[in-house]
Amino acid sequence: GAGVSQTPSNKVTEKGKYVELRCDPISGHTALYWYRQSLGQGPEFLIYFQGTGAADDSGLPNDRFFAVRPEGSVSTLKIQRTERGDSAVYLCASSLTLNLGDTQYFGPGTRLTVL
Amino acid sequence: QQQVKQSPQSLIVQKGGISIINCAYENTAFDYFPWYQQFPGKGPALLIAIRPDVSEKKEGRFTISFNKSAKQFSLHIMDSQPGDSATYFCAARLVGNKLVFGAGTILRVKS
Repeated sequence: GAGVSQTPSNKVTEKGKYVELRCDPISGHTALYWYRQSLGQGPEFLIYFQGTGAADDSGLPNDRFFAVRPEGSVSTLKIQRTERGDSAVYLCASSLTLNLGDTQYFGPGTRLTVL
Repeated sequence: QQQVKQSPQSLIVQKGGISIINCAYENTAFDYFPWYQQFPGKGPALLIAIRPDVSEKKEGRFTISFNKSAKQFSLHIMDSQPGDSATYFCAARLVGNKLVFGAGTILRVKS
């Protein structure tokens, strides 16, 4: 079946601009996660959703970052007033539930470059 | 305290050899320890995982060894193949299925 998909695969923007990154989880998965991966580093947790609500947004670096999942499926990560330090690969993952042992399946990521 | 420390940063192994990657943690709230494999341009994919009440888990050529008292765990890849060349991440789970990842190990298997 289809895995987690993310669009766009690459996004180049200028400092100060607004960007939206989209994630389509595996159908039927109730939990959705966003991670950020900087070059040469492991993924870093940003936020996760159970259904439509953000259950834990403790990893969002500041109030320029916001994510939504209005219908409990597709999610959008929104970054306002982008900075060069926001350049990274943004990964989305989904799992069937939040239960112990439920595998997180990752998408291919969106590579964001802020010039 | 939420960090997971991973070593080595990179590893070169001959085809047929054993690849060993080590991780250590401090937070006793971690309750699940997966390993992920990542190829260039792809997202991480689950390789194998272990719960802290188990000391070893084996799946094919991949084995996790877990030492709860030392707060350390390791991945062993037996009979390493060129197709195993990738970046490997250990991770640890917190409540809510939030994962904390190590910094990664770049494995190269020479044929």
